[in-house]
Amino acid sequence: GESVGLHLPTLSVQEGDNSIINCAYSNSASDYFIWYKQESGKGPQFIIDIRSNMDKRQGQRVTVLLNKTVKHLSLQIAATQPGDSAVYFCAENLYSGGGADGLTFGKGTHLIIQP
Amino acid sequence: DAGVTQSPTHLIKTRGQHVTLRCSPISGHKSVSWYQQVLGQGPQFIFQYYEKEERGRGNFPDRFSARQFPNYSSELNVNALLLGDSALYLCASSLAYRGPGNTIYFGEGSWLTVV
Repeated sequence: GESVGLHLPTLSVQEGDNSIINCAYSNSASDYFIWYKQESGKGPQFIIDIRSNMDKRQGQRVTVLLNKTVKHLSLQIAATQPGDSAVYFCAENLYSGGGADGLTFGKGTHLIIQP
Repeated sequence: DAGVTQSPTHLIKTRGQHVTLRCSPISGHKSVSWYQQVLGQGPQFIFQYYEKEERGRGNFPDRFSARQFPNYSSELNVNALLLGDSALYLCASSLAYRGPGNTIYFGEGSWLTVV
């Protein structure tokens, strides 16, 4: 089975609110985690990554939190905009971005922005 | 700078035929990976190539093969196509095989429909 999964298939938020997308992983040996955004008909777009020796990393309007104790990953998007509408995937990797097993993806969360 | 480029963008094949998909990585990237994304699911790892050698293989049958050329571009070949091979095939590139900061970037994919 998949070692990375998401709790909610769909998340609806109001424009301007903050969004939190959650992800659970099962392989405690994973040492690298990535969030991708995939718009309809396009390939996954890199958003932010985090290594297992960190518990928080911030980018532009996005923050990733890693809780290794409960094997949980979250993506926070500040001041959600219509352009944030997409499916968001978390992915994990055993070898810091590559290696024999590649990335393992979850099923994704569809973020819907309400006007 | 150009991102990961893939061709063709869309194609339709008949069961039993074979298909060749092509990928050019980001300039300077030496690693290419291939993923299959079935509608409604996250991408699944097929192969990783680095410096023209296969470095990783996912759980796909031998009908799937790939190679990487001296200019680091890559081809994915699928023989004896089945209806279940219908999917978006994604190519991803990264600077190195693995390691800290080895961000993996995806192309827009090749949509394959098998009829």
